[in-house]
Amino acid sequence: RKEVEQDPGPFNVPEGATVAFNCTYSNSASQSFFWYRQDCRKEPKLLMSVYSSGNEDGRFTAQLNRASQYISLLIRDSKLSDSATYLCVGNNYGQNFVFGPGTRLSVLP
Amino acid sequence: DTEVTQTPKHLVMGMTNKKSLKCEQHMGHRAMYWYKQKAKKPPELMFVYSYEKLSINESVPSRFSPECPNSSLLNLHLHALQPEDSALYLCASSQDSGYGTDTQYFGPGTRLTVL
Repeated sequence: RKEVEQDPGPFNVPEGATVAFNCTYSNSASQSFFWYRQDCRKEPKLLMSVYSSGNEDGRFTAQLNRASQYISLLIRDSKLSDSATYLCVGNNYGQNFVFGPGTRLSVLP
Repeated sequence: DTEVTQTPKHLVMGMTNKKSLKCEQHMGHRAMYWYKQKAKKPPELMFVYSYEKLSINESVPSRFSPECPNSSLLNLHLHALQPEDSALYLCASSQDSGYGTDTQYFGPGTRLTVL
């Protein structure tokens, strides 16, 4: 079993829709989590950090449930520009960043 | 400023060539990373430097040789690569505070093609 797992996707949603991604982790010692978005042939860009129960930034909300060991990312009012791959990353300690496989999102006009 | 820079953006090399990838950050971060990323896969860790010392080598073939000249710079020397080494090579950095709450920032990557 992989240490960080994500919804396989792809998610194809219409503009304006709300979409949620789930990410589960197996290492209960994980300290913090991150959502990155990655556009095709570009680098991962930090979208949100999650240290405690959750975080919100505009249309994006991340929730962390340590008891169930999952993190979710909710995107409201999807835009065409939200189309990307979303990577869930856990930090177990210091330099140990563990990547999930990513979930691809396509927002359709 | 959360910028990590990488040069070159693109590199095409033959299997007998020697080339180097360069990475720089000025955020005062003390951990720097090299990742390799193939299409439709997440980044795969290759090396980690912490306080200019190599702390993690993920069993990377010796044709890849990392170097950390100082706390702001990270190089990856390439020699006798194979076509399957063609990929996006990403550099990243983080504070390395030791508290498990550090954030990684990525450079734009070098797209490497080995002929």
